[in-house]
This record gives sequence, C-alpha cells and structure tokens, in this order.
Amino acid sequence: NAGVMQNPRHLVRRRGQEARLRCSPMKGHSHVYWYRQLPEEGLKFMVYLQKENIIDESGMPKERFSAEFPKEGPSILRIQQVVRGDSAAYFCASSPRWGENEKLFFGSGTQLSVL
Amino acid sequence: GESVGLHLPTLSVQEGDNSIINCAYSNSASDYFIWYKQESGKGPQFIIDIRSNMDKRQGQRVTVLLNKTVKHLSLQIAATQPGDSAVYFCAEKSDGGTSYGKLTFGQGTILTVHP
Repeated sequence: NAGVMQNPRHLVRRRGQEARLRCSPMKGHSHVYWYRQLPEEGLKFMVYLQKENIIDESGMPKERFSAEFPKEGPSILRIQQVVRGDSAAYFCASSPRWGENEKLFFGSGTQLSVL
Repeated sequence: GESVGLHLPTLSVQEGDNSIINCAYSNSASDYFIWYKQESGKGPQFIIDIRSNMDKRQGQRVTVLLNKTVKHLSLQIAATQPGDSAVYFCAEKSDGGTSYGKLTFGQGTILTVHP
C-alpha cells in the first residue's frame, strides 16, 4: 500500500520560471493538504482540497500560487514566476475523510530551489 | 496570531535514557494536539495525538502529557534509541469552527541520541 507520493523530490528553477509540484494521495484518500517548510522552521499550512474543490486556501500567497486536485490524476501545486523566497520544502498530506481526529499522512516532500 | 512553540531547540541524550520534549501553545481554544517525528529528507511521521479532554495518553515507548492550565504539551520517549534521532514537532488543530487537518506546527526540537 503505497503512501503519499510526491514528485519530483528535488526541483531547481531559475527566477521567473514556473514550478509544478505533484502529489498522489494514499489509496482511498480524497482529502489533500499542502504545507510549506522553510529551513529550520515548522510546516505552514497552505491549502486544503478535495476532489475538484478548494476548501481552504487561507495559507496560500495571494499571487503566483495555485493548487488543484482534479477528478482524475494527482494534486498539483503550481508556482508561477518563482522568486528566491519560494525556495522551501513543500509537503503534501492526505487523509481518508472529513472528521475530527484526522491523522494526516505526509509525503516525503519536494525540495524547491530557486536560483 | 495564535502560535505553537517549543522551549528547547535541541536535546542530546544517551541511548537508553528517557527524553522529554516540551511544547507551549497559545490558543486556548485548541482541542487536539499531535506530535510528529521528521527524519532528514523525509516528511513528518505521526507519533501520537491527544484531545483536550485528556491529560495523558500512552503509546509504544511514548507518552504525551497535556496541561491545559498552563497550555503546555510534552512528549516523553522511554529508553531512547539512536533511531529516535530526528526533529520533533508538536502541532495544534486549528479548527476555526470546521474540522479538518489544518494544523499549526511548532518550531521543532532536534533530538540527538548518542550511542
């Protein structure tokens, strides 16, 4: 039973390019979360999605960042016109249902480096 | 804003000793807390959780204590092993009237176990 799969593991982009991060949740999970981790900091919530719906994007920067979780395929976190401050580890997590004591299962993350 | 933080950024122990990692939270309305372990290059791994109607919860070699009076959370690891070396995060469930996995993470404590 594969866990949460993220790719790529490492992504290098030059300033102004676009970054696309992919996340396949665990089998049977329909809830996806994206978190960002800056060096030596805890994870910061970005967005929560269900299939074809963005439920909570209160942690997403207002510009350049977008996320989707289509009916078919992985969830995508897209960062347009990347800047050096976007360099961070981006983690995806999934859970099986909407409930009180949800346990989030995290992927291994994508390390984004902006040159 | 509300935040979750840790008292000690690093903790070094000898193999076989017991470890205690502390966490202070500021949101008195929080009702669910989780401890995660993050090894280098990996995503956070769930360790143990506790709801606010409990003071203590035990798992395998781990115990979480919750003191709501002083808004303090601790993780105790018995007979610490080298494989326990990692960064440990406490996280708080940020319900905001809803109930899903929107977590607020603390800064993290680096636990180093010496053989």
